[in-house]
Amino acid sequence: DSGVTQTPKHLITATGQRVTLRCSPRSGDLSVYWYQQSLDQGLQFLIQYYNGEERAKGNILERFSAQQFPDLHSELNLSSLELGDSALYFCASSVRDNNQPQHFGDGTRLSIL
Amino acid sequence: DQQVKQNSPSLSVQEGRISILNCDYTNSMFDYFLWYKKYPAEGPTFLISISSIKDKNEDGRFTVFLNKSAKHLSLHIVPSQPGDSAVYFCAASAQGQTGANNLFFGTGTRLTVIP
Repeated sequence: DSGVTQTPKHLITATGQRVTLRCSPRSGDLSVYWYQQSLDQGLQFLIQYYNGEERAKGNILERFSAQQFPDLHSELNLSSLELGDSALYFCASSVRDNNQPQHFGDGTRLSIL
Repeated sequence: DQQVKQNSPSLSVQEGRISILNCDYTNSMFDYFLWYKKYPAEGPTFLISISSIKDKNEDGRFTVFLNKSAKHLSLHIVPSQPGDSAVYFCAASAQGQTGANNLFFGTGTRLTVIP
């Protein structure tokens, strides 16, 4: 158990819909990261927050947004969903934002029908 | 553009022998490297890391070697155990250059340890 909690574990929805994925970091971790793992690709970085502020952005679509709340949990919002958004979405956390290992949750599997 | 590459999709090793997993990278700005292990239906589990100022880091049965001139790192597992069977991911970040700690992942190597 990494200590990172992601909910829900599975999400099935239709094209055009909007969903919210939730992540609770390990106790004491200030930095939260979101990654996407599609069927034919490895883990791709989406966005990082550190202590409530956006720190880095990867190839995150404009239809996607995220935030980190004062209690340090984070939410990833995906809107106008397309079939290609079907993927595993992982959240990770680390104590700070310098060279420290990131610890991953078990992911949310999003299926778009 | 895949900046971190694991060219061997799979590897089979006898129990008790050494497992060597390899990883190559193209971005010379990477300064922190990690190995993760992943079981089905679980998230990646951190195994071991190494900073670019070192060329070796050891933790129990796991040793990571970094060759900066060749842009290559490897993970040695000695002795290999059946419980080590999983997919192993190499990852890297360029925090010192970019200020961001986001990881670039390889595509993984599936290790099977045969009892």
